[in-house]
Amino acid sequence: DTGVSQNPRHKITKRGQNVTFRCDPISEHNRLYWYRQTLGQGPEFLTYFQNEAQLEKSRLLSDRFSAERPKGSFSTLEIQRTEQGDSAMYLCASSLEGGIAGELFFGEGSRLTVL
Amino acid sequence: KNQVEQSPQSLIILEGKNCTLQCNYTVSPFSNLRWYKQDTGRGPVSLTIMTFSENTKSNGRYTATLDADTKQSSLHITASQLSDSASYICVVINFGNEKLTFGTGTRLTIIP
Repeated sequence: DTGVSQNPRHKITKRGQNVTFRCDPISEHNRLYWYRQTLGQGPEFLTYFQNEAQLEKSRLLSDRFSAERPKGSFSTLEIQRTEQGDSAMYLCASSLEGGIAGELFFGEGSRLTVL
Repeated sequence: KNQVEQSPQSLIILEGKNCTLQCNYTVSPFSNLRWYKQDTGRGPVSLTIMTFSENTKSNGRYTATLDADTKQSSLHITASQLSDSASYICVVINFGNEKLTFGTGTRLTIIP
């Protein structure tokens, strides 16, 4: 068990470019979450998958954001036409359905800087 | 509205000293409460989980308390070490839908 893996760890991009982040959850975990965290704040929920189904999306997830989990394993989060306000840490977490309620295992995050 | 408030926002203490971080919540119905430690630029790591029936739980130098009646929790750190410098985030989980409500964290700095 190697834990939740995210890449890239850091991404610097120019405004207007597209970026994609990848998350590999703990192998037996069927639930996967994306959060966004800005400096001095707690993580904010973006979206949640159970297996390959995207079950919930936050209103924070504008139409420039899209997340997929095509085979119920890894997930990608794409941000199109990035804006400076998108600069944040993007955290992925996974959990096991039927496990302890709210027991999420977080990855190390992907830090996005939009210039 | 479900909310989690933490205090203080930031704290600076000398190495070796003790400190206590506070968490007040309005989340209902309550399932459990977790304290996470988040090092700068890293993901959160769970320290403790408190269920409704638990009042105190220790994990090494970390001791968490829960008062479900007043909806308050605290995290006490004993004999602080430089490696304790981090943000400590309180998270409360709803019973039923298992939704997580995060606090904004307390930024703890330990100075030698």
